[in-house]
Amino acid sequence: SYELTQPPSVSVLPGQTARITCSGDVLTKKYAYWYQQKSGQAPVLVIYEDSKRPSGIPERLAGSSSGTMATLTVSGAQVEDEADYYCYSRDSSGNHKFGGGTKLTVL
Amino acid sequence: QVQLVESGGGVVQPGRSLRLSCAASGITFSNYGMHWVRQAPGKGLDWVAFISYDGSNKYYADSVKGRFTISRDNSKNTLNLQMNSLRAEDTAVYYCATGDQQLPFDYWGQGTLVTVSS
Repeated sequence: SYELTQPPSVSVLPGQTARITCSGDVLTKKYAYWYQQKSGQAPVLVIYEDSKRPSGIPERLAGSSSGTMATLTVSGAQVEDEADYYCYSRDSSGNHKFGGGTKLTVL
Repeated sequence: QVQLVESGGGVVQPGRSLRLSCAASGITFSNYGMHWVRQAPGKGLDWVAFISYDGSNKYYADSVKGRFTISRDNSKNTLNLQMNSLRAEDTAVYYCATGDQQLPFDYWGQGTLVTVSS
């Protein structure tokens, strides 16, 4: 099995850049995915295959990955970006894992 | 539009069983692998199980292996989760979600709450 580790919380002022990290050995070989979950709602896929954005996701959300760490960057963060963010990856043995989640506060 | 609708949640005593279902519409269900994901109150996402598009491959989290069984009926566009020997720590909102290879968890249901309590 493997783990994906995220910081519990990140805080930024409106208009600043927020960076949320996700670390795990599996990321050297497998893609990272990112999900945004707002209070009381189901999660939404915001980044797939490390850095690709599904249609409808704003360009200010960007993903990158290097070595054992993937990063979700929220540029010019807005109040509407406040949410819990989860990274996810899977290995070749059918194991799927979410990170512990990061609460992004835009205050 | 795509709809995934879970049902079957409720309050159950420890050690008892419960069966969840997820009805899919707006997608060609038989083309999608499917997941169950749960979220305990105030906690993070916890992957539970996956079934391939044709039901031939199934994978489980260690925490539910041997107790939960995922299945599907492509003729009815339905995904199921049979949960046996339930424990207090299984208390959570259970979501079904699509398992596309490139876009995993692209579509989610609204979730169904399972409470295991005496």
